[in-house]
Amino acid sequence: AQRVTQPEKLLSVFKGAPVELKCNYSYSGSPELFWYVQYSRQRLQLLLRHISRESIKGFTADLNKGETSFHLKKPFAQEEDSAMYYCALQTGGFKTIFGAGTRLFVKA
Amino acid sequence: GAVVSQHPSWVICKSGTSVKIECRSLDFQATTMFWYRQFPKQSLMLMATSNEGSKATYEQGVEKDKFLINHASLTLSTLTVTSAHPEDSSFYICSARTRTGNSYEQYFGPGTRLTVT
Repeated sequence: AQRVTQPEKLLSVFKGAPVELKCNYSYSGSPELFWYVQYSRQRLQLLLRHISRESIKGFTADLNKGETSFHLKKPFAQEEDSAMYYCALQTGGFKTIFGAGTRLFVKA
Repeated sequence: GAVVSQHPSWVICKSGTSVKIECRSLDFQATTMFWYRQFPKQSLMLMATSNEGSKATYEQGVEKDKFLINHASLTLSTLTVTSAHPEDSSFYICSARTRTGNSYEQYFGPGTRLTVT
């Protein structure tokens, strides 16, 4: 079965603290994984994709096929990082399956 | 960057009536568009995949006769909720897919909030 699991609905950290948003997936094929972000009152937008292996706004995510994980990390959280984060899996048929989302709240 | 618009941004309709939601890719052509539904505090659920010039592919559990999708051109897809009921009240989001290099990227519309009274 194709599934994306984000175990934390809410993650609250202090400004400057490290943050890790967890994502695990289930897919029999070769996965293409993404992180999307939705800031307050804004539309969903792509944050990063695993094939790019880049850092966006200080965030990185590494695909671990052994653990079927694609956790999103940032060493020092900023208040402007507060948003809803969705992990997503794109299947071979180009459908995108979203996780339930994690709301990140960065406290001053 | 690529922009996807939706119209209307919100709509209130009476039970039993039909509502049409438009999704447009403003500065690119999209052979494929997707329609999602999002309930409060929940994730996006894919309803259907809309391909230009052909019938939409619906996900399991989504009634195709209730949620009519038309992808008439490379820049426009419409979702019509027929005989709407209060349980159809939700946030409907479309996205359009375009090729970037060797991969595809999805751009999302701002969503349409439907309230059925």
